Amino acid sequence: AQSVTQLGSHVSVSEGALVLLRCNYSSSVPPYLFWYVQYPNQGLQLLLKYTSAATLVKGINGFEAEFKKSETSFHLTKPSAHMSDAAEYFCAVSDPGGYSTLTFGKGTMLLVSP
Amino acid sequence: NAGVTQTPKFQVLKTGQSMTLQCAQDMNHEYMSWYRQDPGMGLRLIHYSVGAGITDQGEVPNGYNVSRSTTEDFPLRLLSAAPSQTSVYFCASRPNLAGAYNEQFFGPGTRLTVL
Repeated sequence: AQSVTQLGSHVSVSEGALVLLRCNYSSSVPPYLFWYVQYPNQGLQLLLKYTSAATLVKGINGFEAEFKKSETSFHLTKPSAHMSDAAEYFCAVSDPGGYSTLTFGKGTMLLVSP
Repeated sequence: NAGVTQTPKFQVLKTGQSMTLQCAQDMNHEYMSWYRQDPGMGLRLIHYSVGAGITDQGEVPNGYNVSRSTTEDFPLRLLSAAPSQTSVYFCASRPNLAGAYNEQFFGPGTRLTVL
């Protein structure tokens, strides 16, 4: 069975600082990995995804993530935080075979202070 | 395209009542799913469907029922509401039956309170 662990339910940064949100996965086969963002009272929106084409993935709004198989990690980063980045971020994993349901981590709330 | 739509946006039920949460998509996606979101728990899969007439259980299916008579619609039925079903419910769809690499598109959610 696949699972996702997001370290830290809340992460606080100052505007302009580096954003680092951690995600580790467990999967019996090389997975597909996703980061979604949820702004208050909204649905989820895809930030980026890893589907084995390249280990460094660039997404929207300046975010990127690096797939590291040896560490079973897919951490999300952004060089400089903006106030508008304040939201909840979810890492998710999907096995490539079969009907491939999506398994989510518990989420990390990013707080950005001026 | 409207994408994934959900109705109602908010609902309050009494324990024991039944109701149906509606979900529709206009993107001709084969795969549709229902999640519930609870604080500190992330999103957990309730049921999913890979096409009209085909449904399967997810991680937390108890107390919920689904059917898929058309490609567009995937309603979620609460048979006898319980306070433990107080949650935010999201419907999602994605293109291509076997396309696990495809992103899922999420609806805006239904906030349900069971008293």
